[in-house]
Amino acid sequence: KAGVTQTPRYLIKTRGQQVTLSCSPISGHRSVSWYQQTPGQGLQFLFEYFSETQRNKGNFPGRFSGRQFSNSRSEMNVSTLELGDSALYLCASRQDGYSNEQFFGPGTRLTVL
Amino acid sequence: LAKTTQPISMDSYEGQEVNITCSHNNIATNDYITWYQQFPSQGPRFIIQGYKTKVTNEVASLFIPADRKSSTLSLPRVSLSDTAVYYCLVAPGGTGFQKLVFGTGTRLLVSP
Repeated sequence: KAGVTQTPRYLIKTRGQQVTLSCSPISGHRSVSWYQQTPGQGLQFLFEYFSETQRNKGNFPGRFSGRQFSNSRSEMNVSTLELGDSALYLCASRQDGYSNEQFFGPGTRLTVL
Repeated sequence: LAKTTQPISMDSYEGQEVNITCSHNNIATNDYITWYQQFPSQGPRFIIQGYKTKVTNEVASLFIPADRKSSTLSLPRVSLSDTAVYYCLVAPGGTGFQKLVFGTGTRLLVSP
């Protein structure tokens, strides 16, 4: 079974721009979560989607948004990029919302200049 | 969600057994204890999960005392490739849609 895939793997943007990251979960997994990882803040939860509905949300500003499609693929969007948004963005999938075993993708490394 | 406390870093040598202890004093009755491993520039990887007593798989063992206020991840005979950050998480199981909160983790360095 193919693992979680994320595209693109690397991205360079400038302040003020917006960016969309994509995540394809493991086949059959309906839950997709997004995390931001930085050296200073560690791994921080952004949001989780299950069956196209946002089920959980972390403490991030409204510039961070996401959605999930009917095939469980998910996108994350960050608008009006700031330097502090430079991070590794990780996507994780799990079969349903009941398991604590998540499968993480390789991440998208976003650099904001 | 129960907060966890674990050592910031640990050092070991190849072939030794490594035990990483996590404190979770406010663990709730329906909370499970889960451990993840993360290598640089990769996403975390699930290692093991347990509720009480002892759980063992092909990678590690998890020891949980009766009061469940702490847990110990045991890695037998570590190798250089076990150098990574290890996260202890506590979250409800079976109730659905609970976000997982990762703490700062324990950075394990295995030397030759």
